[in-house]
Amino acid sequence: NAGVTQTPKFQVLKTGQSMTLQCAQDMNHEYMSWYRQDPGMGLRLIHYSVGAGITDQGEVPNGYNVSRSTTEDFPLRLLSAAPSQTSVYFCASSYSSGGTGVKDEQFFGPGTRLTVL
Amino acid sequence: DAKTTQPPSMDCAEGRAANLPCNHSTISGNEYVYWYRQIHSQGPQYIIHGLKNNETNEMASLIITEDRKSSTLILPHATLRDTAVYYCIVRVLGSQGNLIFGKGTKLSVKP
Repeated sequence: NAGVTQTPKFQVLKTGQSMTLQCAQDMNHEYMSWYRQDPGMGLRLIHYSVGAGITDQGEVPNGYNVSRSTTEDFPLRLLSAAPSQTSVYFCASSYSSGGTGVKDEQFFGPGTRLTVL
Repeated sequence: DAKTTQPPSMDCAEGRAANLPCNHSTISGNEYVYWYRQIHSQGPQYIIHGLKNNETNEMASLIITEDRKSSTLILPHATLRDTAVYYCIVRVLGSQGNLIFGKGTKLSVKP
């Protein structure tokens, strides 16, 4: 299994440009999420999805859109990039254990480093 | 989810045990204690989790106090590759998967 993959690894945008960060997992996980990490900070949740066709907002959703048309893919769209969105973006996935005793481990991708000028 | 408190940084000599504390005094009865670590520039990696009993796996041991208000992650024989930021997180098992990350503890393992 490739696990959680993210593309691109690095991206530079100009203010106002739009782009999509790709995330895919091959573990048949129901749950997927996007986090951002600013320098010296912990990760903050942007959006998440508990299954295909279902998404919800996290702590910092403004300026980002998501959709989940398949179990495998969960792209993150920046509609109009701003310098405040300069960050490292991590995608994660896990089983939705619902208390069944599965250890509920989240698997993280390698990250996308985004700079908005 | 309850909040956690961790020291910002710790040092450990290579080959010695690293003991990383975490305070979670407001933890609820159905919340588990999870530990993740983030090696520089990489995505976080799951280490271990527990409810009230001590847990051990191939990576580490987790000691939870009887009142569950604090816990300690133990890396029994720290290596230079264990240098990372360690995050202690409390959450309900299966609670939509959301993880609330604080700033964690930066562990530096020195030769």
